This record gives sequence, C-alpha cells and structure tokens, in this order.
Amino acid sequence: QMHLVQSGPEVKKPGASVKVSCKASGYTFTSYDIHWVRQATGQGLEWMGWMNPYTGNTGYAPKFQGRVTMTRITSMNTAYMDLTSLTSDDTAVYYCARVPRGACDSWGQGTLVSVSS
Amino acid sequence: QPVLTQPPSASASLGASVTLTCTLSSGHSTYAIAWHQQQPEKGPRYLMTLSSDGSHSKGDGIPDRFSGSSSGAERHLTISSLQTEDEADYYCQTWDTGIRMIFGGGTTLTVL
Repeated sequence: QMHLVQSGPEVKKPGASVKVSCKASGYTFTSYDIHWVRQATGQGLEWMGWMNPYTGNTGYAPKFQGRVTMTRITSMNTAYMDLTSLTSDDTAVYYCARVPRGACDSWGQGTLVSVSS
Repeated sequence: QPVLTQPPSASASLGASVTLTCTLSSGHSTYAIAWHQQQPEKGPRYLMTLSSDGSHSKGDGIPDRFSGSSSGAERHLTISSLQTEDEADYYCQTWDTGIRMIFGGGTTLTVL
C-alpha cells in the first residue's frame, strides 16, 4: 500500500526559508511525478509545481517561480519543497501528491507552515 | 488554460443522493478531471478520475456510492445514500501541458 509521509509542522519568521519533505513508500518512487499543493486556512487548493523524481526535471507555477525549489534524493525515496523569502501570506498547509497521469491519486498528510514575527 | 467552476455550496438530506458539478471553461470541454474529497480538518483524498465520455476510475477503497458522469463541459460527482461522513469539501482538478494543474474553487457539501 502506497504512502506519502511528510515532515512535521514548522514555525518560521518572515524572510526565512522552509524545507518540507515527502517520503514515498509502497511504489517505485521514480515512476511518478510529485506535485506540491498548498492550502491557506479556509481557502482552496493552490498548485505550486511539480518534479519528476527520475530525471529531476521541475516546473513551477508562475506565482512561485524564483522562490520555490523542488528536489529529491532517490536513494531515500524522498522529495523536498524549499520555499524562500517567507511572508505571512505563505502560512498554509503544504501537501505533496503523487501524479501518475495528471490526477493526484495519493496525497501526503500535509505540513503546516506558520510564518509569524 | 482551462478554468474549473464549482458552486460554493450544496446540501442534501441524510440517506438521499446529491450531484455536484464542475464546469470546464469554453474550449476545454474534452478535458478529463479528478474529484477529491476533503473532510473537515483533514487532507484531500482522491476519489476518481472522470473522462469526457463519462468513464471513470476510482481510487482504492472508494465506495460504490460515489460515481461520476459527464455532459458536455460539465463533470458530475454523484453521491448516493448520503452519510454524515460525506459532509466535506469537494474539489475538481484538471491538468494542462502548459500550466500543469488547475483546481476548482471547491463545493462545501452539507448533509442535513
């Protein structure tokens, strides 16, 4: 049974960076893209970008271009999302998702990132 | 790129059926979508992928009460025999080679 397990909650100050991890199990990690999606409290789902774990290729939503980096360590079956220059608007729950053919068919449990001075 | 439009709220009685709708923008009526459920204080859960011809494939463990259908640019999620645990936000999602992933605004379903 496949799982995506994310790292724990983070509290950051404005201007800092955060790195969230997403560890995959139960399937071949390099076979499917990993996407990252965030959700502010009371708001909808917002797509941030994607990464191909096999090639390392990435693509980012224009809103986050220049501020987000998605990477992976294949030997650890783990994907990472790094977001810099945090502001209070980045306070949200961040999710990773496995995407075989366009649809997110499995989600991580979410990581709350709080940004406050 | 496609835009997905969902009504913000819906309601139906316990034990009844309800159909939620996601509408694709003009020129994108052939796109497949996915439906996701988000119960209160939980993360999203994949329900199914739904094609323009109405064929759908469900995620592991999704009950038969959940089904999908399509009509033109509309993608429907029907939940029958409503239970209290079906009270949740429902999001549709599609994908595009340029933008890669798009979400609808979500529909909050209340079970009366």
